[in-house]
Amino acid sequence: GQSLEQPSEVTAVEGAIVQINCTYQTSGFYGLSWYQQHDGGAPTFLSYNGLDGLEETGRFSSFLSRSDSYGYLLLQELQMKDSASYFCAAQDAGRRALTFGSGTRLQVQP
Amino acid sequence: EPEVTQTPSHQVTQMGQEVILRCVPISNHLYFYWYRQILGQKVEFLVSFYNNEISEKSEIFDDQFSVERPDGSNFTLKIRSTKLEDSAMYFCASRTGTAEDTQYFGPGTRLTVL
Repeated sequence: GQSLEQPSEVTAVEGAIVQINCTYQTSGFYGLSWYQQHDGGAPTFLSYNGLDGLEETGRFSSFLSRSDSYGYLLLQELQMKDSASYFCAAQDAGRRALTFGSGTRLQVQP
Repeated sequence: EPEVTQTPSHQVTQMGQEVILRCVPISNHLYFYWYRQILGQKVEFLVSFYNNEISEKSEIFDDQFSVERPDGSNFTLKIRSTKLEDSAMYFCASRTGTAEDTQYFGPGTRLTVL
């Protein structure tokens, strides 16, 4: 099984940079994904790390360190529309199902 | 851009009734999933489906649940006798099946059991 820990809430101002950390305890870990979810909406894929290191996609970057069982999502140039919940999700090597963390609620303030 | 679709968007049912939630995965995807999210909680895996059979299921996916791919496009989740605690958002997801692919989620069906 897998369990993931992430902060419950983060607040930042428009234009700032915020980092959301995720630590995991797993068996059969394959990779770490990040999803964004607005209230009432579906999880939307943001980024995936199958290997150690940094993946950059526009304003969003994600990092993975397998040796530390740790990853983070970095959001740059924050915009009001980035206010949402962000979930890290570990991918299981066998079934490839996703185990989600409890989510980090990001509030972007003017 | 192709997307996963789900119907209905909202289903209200009485306790003990059967419901069928429908999903149309992205057309070239081979792996299909159902997840649920109780209000205010995290997304939880229910079941994965590949090659017309269940490949894995969680402890939540008990005998009251079943999945089916009745034709080449639809993927359904049936709850045989709904309970109050089945009230949740149910998300369908799909992926291609290549090594580095990701899962894409549908908009969800909000199930309310009264």
